[in-house]
Amino acid sequence: AQTVTQSQPEMSVQEAETVTLSCTYDTSESDYYLFWYKQPPSRQMILVIRQEAYKQQNATENRFSVNFQKAAKSFSLKISDSQLGDAAMYFCAYRSAPPLSGGGADGLTFGKGTHLIIQP
Amino acid sequence: ETGVTQSPTHLIKTRGQQVTLRCSSQSGHNTVSWYQQALGQGPQFIFQYYREEENGRGNFPPRFSGLQFPNYSSELNVNALELDDSALYLCASSLRFMGTQYFGPGTRLTVL
Repeated sequence: AQTVTQSQPEMSVQEAETVTLSCTYDTSESDYYLFWYKQPPSRQMILVIRQEAYKQQNATENRFSVNFQKAAKSFSLKISDSQLGDAAMYFCAYRSAPPLSGGGADGLTFGKGTHLIIQP
Repeated sequence: ETGVTQSPTHLIKTRGQQVTLRCSSQSGHNTVSWYQQALGQGPQFIFQYYREEENGRGNFPPRFSGLQFPNYSSELNVNALELDDSALYLCASSLRFMGTQYFGPGTRLTVL
């Protein structure tokens, strides 16, 4: 079974600064997907960024980028120019790649989350 | 494009009762996954439905069951409620194996 670990229960950053959230995972699979989701107080889980394990290039989405280190099983999220609206819980998640047989489920395995605080 | 919706928003039940939660998937999606998120924790995968059949389950007992309908909407049923079932229940829809899971706003269940 796969596990996802987020070692930072809480992080704080000044508005307009850069912050990096850490995530490590454990798997014996070679092909998989990794995600960062954001959950504001409204509770709705919102996709921030997605990375396919077979891609060497790190994914970026505007102010959000990842540092994907496959050998180290590390997947950190960097938020540049932090804004007040970035304040939320951030969850790292893992999903297996589709099996060739097409069977089985592709449920997500989540970490425990990091609470990000933005200081004005 | 309509996003994932869930109903009700909040629900209060007593121990031993049964509950049904509902989810409408995003337009074009054929797969629905359900997750339980206890307070202060990450979501835990309950099960997934595709083509009206359960095709994978996490570490949850059989009193957690579900349905998927021809329009891809879904229900989560929990029988014999226990205090530990108090949690946020999240539904996510996707295209099977092809895409990202998109989440609804959740149903907050409180068991007294």
